[in-house]
Amino acid sequence: AQSVTQLGSHVSVSEGALVLLRCNYSSSVPPYLFWYVQYPNQGLQLLLKYTTGATLVKGINGFEAEFKKSETSFHLTKPSAHMSDAAEYFCAVSFSGGYNKLIFGAGTRLAVHP
Amino acid sequence: ETGVTQTPRHLVMGMTNKKSLKCEQHLGHNAMYWYKQSAKKPLELMFVYNFKEQTENNSVPSRFSPECPNSSHLFLHLHTLQPEDSALYLCASSQGLLGGGNTGELFFGEGSRLTVL
Repeated sequence: AQSVTQLGSHVSVSEGALVLLRCNYSSSVPPYLFWYVQYPNQGLQLLLKYTTGATLVKGINGFEAEFKKSETSFHLTKPSAHMSDAAEYFCAVSFSGGYNKLIFGAGTRLAVHP
Repeated sequence: ETGVTQTPRHLVMGMTNKKSLKCEQHLGHNAMYWYKQSAKKPLELMFVYNFKEQTENNSVPSRFSPECPNSSHLFLHLHTLQPEDSALYLCASSQGLLGGGNTGELFFGEGSRLTVL
């Protein structure tokens, strides 16, 4: 069965520090991988996605993620955190072949302090 | 502004009430979704519609009744809910079903926060 695990429900960093949010997936077929962000009182917004090709994917707001098949991981990083990055981040996976739904991880809440 | 509008943003209802949540998308998409977001739980897919036809019902209790009159509008009719149904209900749309040309970008509304007393 396919699943997504996000390590750490809460992550706290200082402004200017590296952001690292971890995501591991389980899949028997090649996955499509995503990171979504949810700001308070808003819906989810796509940050970036991996489908095929280059394994290092760049997204909005300076975030990037690298697909590592051998580690079944898709960790999200940003070199320097900004206060406005405080939000909840969701990793998600879908699959080719007509499968029509995203499977979401439980989310990681990122806090950024001065 | 994502192009997906949900109303009402907040709803409080008793267990015997009947109410509806509305979702409208202005993106020209063909597929629409209802998700449930509860505290400390992953997002749960409830229903999927493609060109007004329901393609997925993820074992949702019958007290939740979806309606999709056209590709731009999606409703979730609620009746005899339980307190554990209190959650944020998110509507989303996509250009097509995942795997059918769309690889996963969903456009979400801001959600309807439901409280069942």
